[in-house]
Amino acid sequence: AQSVTQLDSQVPVFEEAPVELRCNYSSSVSVYLFWYVQYPNQGLQLLLKYLSGSTLVESINGFEAEFNKSQTSFHLRKPSVHISDTAEYFCAVSESFSGTYKYIFGTGTRLKVLA
Amino acid sequence: GAVVSQHPSRVICKSGTSVKIECRSLDFQATTMFWYRQFPKKSLMLMATSNEGSKATYEQGVEKDKFLINHASLTLSTLTVTSAHPEDSSFYICSARDWGAGSYNEQFFGPGTRLTVL
Repeated sequence: AQSVTQLDSQVPVFEEAPVELRCNYSSSVSVYLFWYVQYPNQGLQLLLKYLSGSTLVESINGFEAEFNKSQTSFHLRKPSVHISDTAEYFCAVSESFSGTYKYIFGTGTRLKVLA
Repeated sequence: GAVVSQHPSRVICKSGTSVKIECRSLDFQATTMFWYRQFPKKSLMLMATSNEGSKATYEQGVEKDKFLINHASLTLSTLTVTSAHPEDSSFYICSARDWGAGSYNEQFFGPGTRLTVL
């Protein structure tokens, strides 16, 4: 992937409302896709990943993402958000560079859930 | 499984001193580790790729003499910020790949180290 684009830098949403965080990438080869969540002053926690198989992947806390190869997208969705979902979300693509798989990160989307 | 730790979690040092950050894979062998830098409210920037027993590969624009990386064992990589200055203040995050699990394309991240240079 030459780039990973997260168009929305900030997304405010009311509690219990649905949310979609967008992620698009540019690549002409097979890629592996990830969503990570980062809480303040903490490292990255894996939310979900697409490596192969079903294009719809789900996490244990209600998030899901769908790999769309034709649109080169991997949008993250949740039907009903909680206050505790407030965090920074990063989309990442893992791609081979001269035999080494490296991550390319998007710029992140700050999800703020409002009461 | 696939737990990565970093030490220290937070460090404050004086300008001109050197600081060492450790990254350990606790329950797997990591032949490859990565070091990232994250500026406030910004994304992660890959600094270098570290392979066990060989020299690290640095990304363009990263000073190899400034950021010394050593990957002497399958479970430990260290990043030393030499002659640190206030502009080196940042959040440093390491990650590792678990070859044993066959997940050559997935990285497991440490909790990060907050470096503040006064």
